[in-house]
Amino acid sequence: DTEVTQTPKHLVMGMTNKKSLKCEQHMGHRAMYWYKQKAKKPPELMFVYSYEKLSINESVPSRFSPECPNSSLLNLHLHALQPEDSALYLCASSHWGNSPLHFGNGTRLTVT
Amino acid sequence: GESVGLHLPTLSVQEGDNSIINCAYSNSASDYFIWYKQESGKGPQFIIDIRSNMDKRQGQRVTVLLNKTVKHLSLQIAATQPGDSAVYFCAENNGANSKLTFGKGITLSVRP
Repeated sequence: DTEVTQTPKHLVMGMTNKKSLKCEQHMGHRAMYWYKQKAKKPPELMFVYSYEKLSINESVPSRFSPECPNSSLLNLHLHALQPEDSALYLCASSHWGNSPLHFGNGTRLTVT
Repeated sequence: GESVGLHLPTLSVQEGDNSIINCAYSNSASDYFIWYKQESGKGPQFIIDIRSNMDKRQGQRVTVLLNKTVKHLSLQIAATQPGDSAVYFCAENNGANSKLTFGKGITLSVRP
């Protein structure tokens, strides 16, 4: 088991649906991340939050909307996704700066 | 642009042998490096890290070597076990913004 919990583990959604991915950590980390991972590819950074503020947006389309309600929670709101957005979405957390990221086991998203 | 890459896509080793996984990086500003292991259906799991002021670091059965002159990183696994079978990623961070970039990944397969 990881110390970063992601829900749901699997999600199937249509292109007109609105859904949210959730992530929670209780390690006192003040940096939280969303990564996207396609099959047989490395994780690709989407967003970085530092002290609950968005610090990096890697030119992610607006149909992905991150939210950090508090220091333990990170959400990713999804709306009007495309089939090519199907992937494993990974959440991670860390202390700020040169510290290892701790990953959850991801949400497997399928867009139909 | 800057990138992190691996020399080999797959590596097959005999159980009990030592494994060496190599990684090349091109961002000379990177000052922190991490090796991750990812098993099927799971998120990346931290193995070991090294900062740029070091050239070697040892953990339990694992050693990471850093050669800044040629921008090369390697992971050595001693007495490889079936449970070591996974995809391994190197990752680099320039420390300024906690933006961790992953290499392409290599599959380690352990033969019994």
